[in-house]
Amino acid sequence: NAGVTQTPKFRVLKTGQSMTLLCAQDMNHEYMYWYRQDPGMGLRLIHYSVGEGTTAKGEVPDGYNVSRLKKQNFLLGLESAAPSQTSVYFCASSYSVAINSEQYFGPGTRLTVT
Amino acid sequence: RKEVEQDPGPFNVPEGATVAFNCTYSNSASQSFFWYRQDCRKEPKLLMSVYSSGNEDGRFTAQLNRASQYISLLIRDSKLSDSATYLCVVNILSGTYKYIFGTGTRLKVLA
Repeated sequence: NAGVTQTPKFRVLKTGQSMTLLCAQDMNHEYMYWYRQDPGMGLRLIHYSVGEGTTAKGEVPDGYNVSRLKKQNFLLGLESAAPSQTSVYFCASSYSVAINSEQYFGPGTRLTVT
Repeated sequence: RKEVEQDPGPFNVPEGATVAFNCTYSNSASQSFFWYRQDCRKEPKLLMSVYSSGNEDGRFTAQLNRASQYISLLIRDSKLSDSATYLCVVNILSGTYKYIFGTGTRLKVLA
């Protein structure tokens, strides 16, 4: 099993450009998440999904959109990138959110917006 | 006040030493607790869940104190390979479940 994969691994965008980050998991997990990690801030939840066709806002959703058309994929879109969106983006998945249900993370996407 | 707080460190310890980290949480609706390990420029990976009665996995021991709202991680006989950032994660029931991450405690084990 590949677990959780993310593409691309690195990207540089100019302000105002758009892009989509792809997350895929092969563990048949219902729950998927997008986080961003910035120095001194910890991981912050952007959006999450509790199943195919569903999405919900997390802690810092502004400037991002998501879609979960297939159970195994969770896409994160930036419609008009801003320098404040320079960050490391991690996708994660979990079988459930029941007690002691762990999250599995992808390797991350390092995004720089100039 | 942050929902999950950790001392950022770094904790610099010699090989073979015992080191302990604490993590405090503020939300009494916290249901599950975890320690994740994150190596530099890598993704977080689960080190261990933290159970109410405390639990041990080899050199690692985790404890939960619900009354004082903190969890701890003890590492015995530190190895160079233990150098990493340790993230405290709390799963909170607040309408729906959500995972709250601490900012991490950085550990450096020195030869």
